[in-house]
Amino acid sequence: EDQVTQSPEALRLQEGESSSLNCSYTVSGLRGLFWYRQDPGKGPEFLFTLYSAGEEKEKERLKATLTKKESFLHITAPKPEDSATYLCAVQSGGGADGLTFGKGTHLIIQP
Amino acid sequence: KAGVTQTPRYLIKTRGQQVTLSCSPISGHRSVSWYQQTPGQGLQFLFEYFSETQRNKGNFPGRFSGRQFSNSRSEMNVSTLELGDSALYLCASSFGAVSGNTIYFGEGSWLTVV
Repeated sequence: EDQVTQSPEALRLQEGESSSLNCSYTVSGLRGLFWYRQDPGKGPEFLFTLYSAGEEKEKERLKATLTKKESFLHITAPKPEDSATYLCAVQSGGGADGLTFGKGTHLIIQP
Repeated sequence: KAGVTQTPRYLIKTRGQQVTLSCSPISGHRSVSWYQQTPGQGLQFLFEYFSETQRNKGNFPGRFSGRQFSNSRSEMNVSTLELGDSALYLCASSFGAVSGNTIYFGEGSWLTVV
């Protein structure tokens, strides 16, 4: 059974204070690891897909990396508008059960 | 390019009733999947449809069902509603089958069961 654990559950940072969010996963044959951002009352917004260990992707202040057991979402010099819940999800080789999501990291960036 | 569209956005139903939620995928996307999101359980996979066929199903009771039409639009139905069915129901679409493809979500339908 695929499992995804995200840490920390919540994180409060000052504007400009860089940090990293962790996503640890157990999956039988990774087809893809996905990062989403979710604002209150809205659906998840796609950020990145990573397919193999060593892969990295960047978008503005966000950078996602992937190893065989975990993924990190690095946030550089965050701004208040980066406040959101960040969700990590995996899809396994069988693809039989859709995406398996972690519970998310609730990020607050204080001005 | 329009995103995934879900209707209705908000609804309130009484325990024992049934509900139908609708989803229009991104133009050109043939796969539609549904998820339930609750504060306690997070996002959980319900089912996936591709070319009008259900490919995968999550661990939910038979009261939860869905279908996909020839234009890729999808509906999900929940019968005999229970209080615990109160949740945000999210529809997502992808170009091909879910496996390995990027999945885009709609804004969701908020269901409250009273």
